[in-house]
Order: sequence, then C-alpha cells, then structure tokens
Amino acid sequence: EAGVTQSPTHLIKTRGQQATLRCSPISGHTSVYWYQQALGLGLQFLLWYDEGEERNRGNFPPRFSGRQFPNYSSELNVNALELEDSALYLCASSLLLQPQHFGDGTRLSIL
Amino acid sequence: SQQGEEDPQALSIQEGENATMNCSYKTSINNLQWYRQNSGRGLVHLILIRSNEREKHSGRLRVTLDTSKKSSSLLITASRAADTASYFCATAMPTGGGADGLTFGKGTHLIIQP
Repeated sequence: EAGVTQSPTHLIKTRGQQATLRCSPISGHTSVYWYQQALGLGLQFLLWYDEGEERNRGNFPPRFSGRQFPNYSSELNVNALELEDSALYLCASSLLLQPQHFGDGTRLSIL
Repeated sequence: SQQGEEDPQALSIQEGENATMNCSYKTSINNLQWYRQNSGRGLVHLILIRSNEREKHSGRLRVTLDTSKKSSSLLITASRAADTASYFCATAMPTGGGADGLTFGKGTHLIIQP
C-alpha cells in the first residue's frame, strides 16, 4: 500500500510570494491533515479536511488556506510568505477516528 | 499551543537498555498517541491508547496512561541503534470525537549508543 506522498520535497520562495504544497493520501483515506513543524515551535496543527470540506483549522492566519479535491488529495496554499513560514509542512491522512499516517513533508524555505 | 510536554527533552542510553519517556498534558483527551520521527522526515505512528485504557503493549513498546495525573509514559525495551529518533506524544481532543487535529508535545530526542 502506497503511503502518504507530498510534493515538492523542497520549496524555496522569497518573502511576499505564494507557495502551493500538495498531498496525496493513502488510498481510501478521506481525512487529510496539515501540520507545520517550525524550529523552536514544534508540530502545530494547521488544517483538517474530510470529504472535501474544511472541518477545523489551527491558530494560523487566513493566508494559510487549502482545499481537498474529489479524489481526496489536498493542497495547502500559503500567501504573502513571511520569513517565519520557513518550516517542514507535514500532511497526514486517516480513516475517520483512526491513527494518522504522515508523509515525509515539504521543506519550505523563505529567503 | 503545545498540549503535551515530553520529559526528558533528550535521552542517551546504551544499546540493549530500556528507554522511558514521559508526557504530560493539560486538558481532557479522547486518546493519546505516540509517534517517532527520524531526522526531519515524516512521523511514524507507534501506538494509540484511549482515555479509558491504562496500559497497552506493541512489540517492544509499552505505553501507560494516567488520566487523573494527565500523564503518559512510553517504554522501549531492549533498545536498538535503529530506535534513535525523536519521539512525540500527541493528544486528540474529545470535542472532535478524536478525529480532530492532533496536539503534539515538543518531543524527546533518543540516542542509542552502540
């Protein structure tokens, strides 16, 4: 069974630009979660999508947004990038109420 | 904000010894999970313990949960070099029925010396 896949592996942007990160969940999983792992801040919950709908979001500004497509894959968009957005962004998928399975992440660097 | 706090922040032991990590949390939970992360890669799910369970085993892993003290421990027995990684506890809130985003602690970095 293929695991959660994320692309790209690395992304380099400059301040003010926009970044798009992609995630393909494990086949059959309907829930997709996004987390940010920034140095010194630890892993923080960003967004949860289930069946195409945003179900919950963490304490992040509106410039962090995303969507889930009919095939359950997901995109995370970060607008107006700031230096502190540099982090590893992890996507996870699960069946409802089951453990989350994580991808290897996208490392976003803001110059 | 961080819900869980792991203790210790770092732990170095000899191969073959047991490793114990602790996690404390602040609010009511639906379940508590432990994950492993190898050097900046994705997290690997290790074990889930529900709020009505007190102890759970999986291979060389033993997890305990004390909801009255809002704490959990992860024991890895007969450690191996491959166990070198960061270990995180994560809690799921009751409000989301356990399906909500997880709240992670800052992790324990475990080093197994050969």
